[in-house]
Amino acid sequence: EAQVTQNPRYLITVTGKKLTVTCSQNMNHEYMSWYRQDPGLGLRQIYYSMNVEVTDKGDVPEGYKVSRKEKRNFPLILESPSPNQTSLYFCASSLLGEGYNEQFFGPGTRLTVL
Amino acid sequence: ELKVEQNPLFLSMQEGKNYTIYCNYSTTSDRLYWYRQDPGKSLESLFVLLSNGAVKQEGRLMASLDTKARLSTLHITAAVHDLSATYFCAVDTGTASKLTFGTGTRLQVTL
Repeated sequence: EAQVTQNPRYLITVTGKKLTVTCSQNMNHEYMSWYRQDPGLGLRQIYYSMNVEVTDKGDVPEGYKVSRKEKRNFPLILESPSPNQTSLYFCASSLLGEGYNEQFFGPGTRLTVL
Repeated sequence: ELKVEQNPLFLSMQEGKNYTIYCNYSTTSDRLYWYRQDPGKSLESLFVLLSNGAVKQEGRLMASLDTKARLSTLHITAAVHDLSATYFCAVDTGTASKLTFGTGTRLQVTL
């Protein structure tokens, strides 16, 4: 089944404790992206990647890191989480070769930073 | 900076009624997407609109795009409870294939 998977789905952590949220897709998509969703703010892009070893900042990259060493994986790293990073996070991927960017979303990771 | 606005933000409608959700955006684009999100769930792609005048229909939902007016509409015909969800539009300006999302319209269909 074609899908985007994220782990963990739920995470409660404390301020300053490094964490990684994994994202994997099995559709051979070039493009991958991370979003955070907060009430009243819609979805905001954190980072995106056009292909392996190619990443760039989105609208709200502060406090986050990413890497794209393999085409299928795009982990999101929070080196020193803070309470304002409490949010619902989505990973998405798309096949850019069709000339448009219909993105397919993972199930989401609900992160709480105490 | 691209702005994408949706109206209304919240819509409560009775089963059987028709209504339209509006998505306005502030810069030139001919690529617009509609997504649905159920509470606590992920986003599901509904429609991809790729040119001026594009119209797509699926069941009771119909989406259209007017690139000159920078406006997309999502029309709901004879609403049913199963359509209750939050609907997002997203605009693709082609710059690094970035999508900018609207803040969403929460639709509640009541009996």
